[in-house]
Amino acid sequence: AQSVTQLDSQVPVFEEAPVELRCNYSSSVSVYLFWYVQYPNQGLQLLLKYLSGSTLVKGINGFEAEFNKSQTSFHLRKPSVHISDTAEYFCAVSDRISGGYNKLIFGAGTRLAVHP
Amino acid sequence: GAVVSQHPSRVICKSGTSVKIECRSLDFQATTMFWYRQFPKQSLMLMATSNEGSKATYEQGVEKDKFLINHASLTLSTLTVTSAHPEDSSFYICSARRWTSGVSYEQYFGPGTRLTVT
Repeated sequence: AQSVTQLDSQVPVFEEAPVELRCNYSSSVSVYLFWYVQYPNQGLQLLLKYLSGSTLVKGINGFEAEFNKSQTSFHLRKPSVHISDTAEYFCAVSDRISGGYNKLIFGAGTRLAVHP
Repeated sequence: GAVVSQHPSRVICKSGTSVKIECRSLDFQATTMFWYRQFPKQSLMLMATSNEGSKATYEQGVEKDKFLINHASLTLSTLTVTSAHPEDSSFYICSARRWTSGVSYEQYFGPGTRLTVT
């Protein structure tokens, strides 16, 4: 069975500072990995995803993530955060199936709070 | 493109009544849609997978008679919470699978529906 662990429930950071949100997964098969952002009372927006190829994935809003197979990690980073990045961030995993990916398994989420 | 809508965005109902939530893919056809439930400050839990023209597949522990799912067309899936109770109060989010080519697809999420049962 697959699972996702987001190591930090909350990450406070000052504006323009760098940030890393940690995500580890467990799976016995090849996986796809995702990061989603959720603003208050809204649905999820895809930030980036790793399907194959380069282990460094660049997404929207200046975010990037690196897939590390040996450490089963997919940490999300941004070199300089803005107040508007304050939101809930979810890491998700899915096993690969023909045509794409199967159902998404989400981590518990990390609340990023950017302070002025 | 790839917009998924949900209606209503918020609903308050009395205990014992039923409420229907709609999920629509606005600019693409979705043979498969997913329903998630999210408790405050918690993650999304998959409730069921809805396939157009067939019965939904429910995750373990989800009561299929309480959470009725109908995927009657390629752009609409509905979730009906029957005989709602306060513990059913939650944020319900749907997602729709969109084929990006003949052999691959993506999932797109709706904005969610906040259900409050009084």
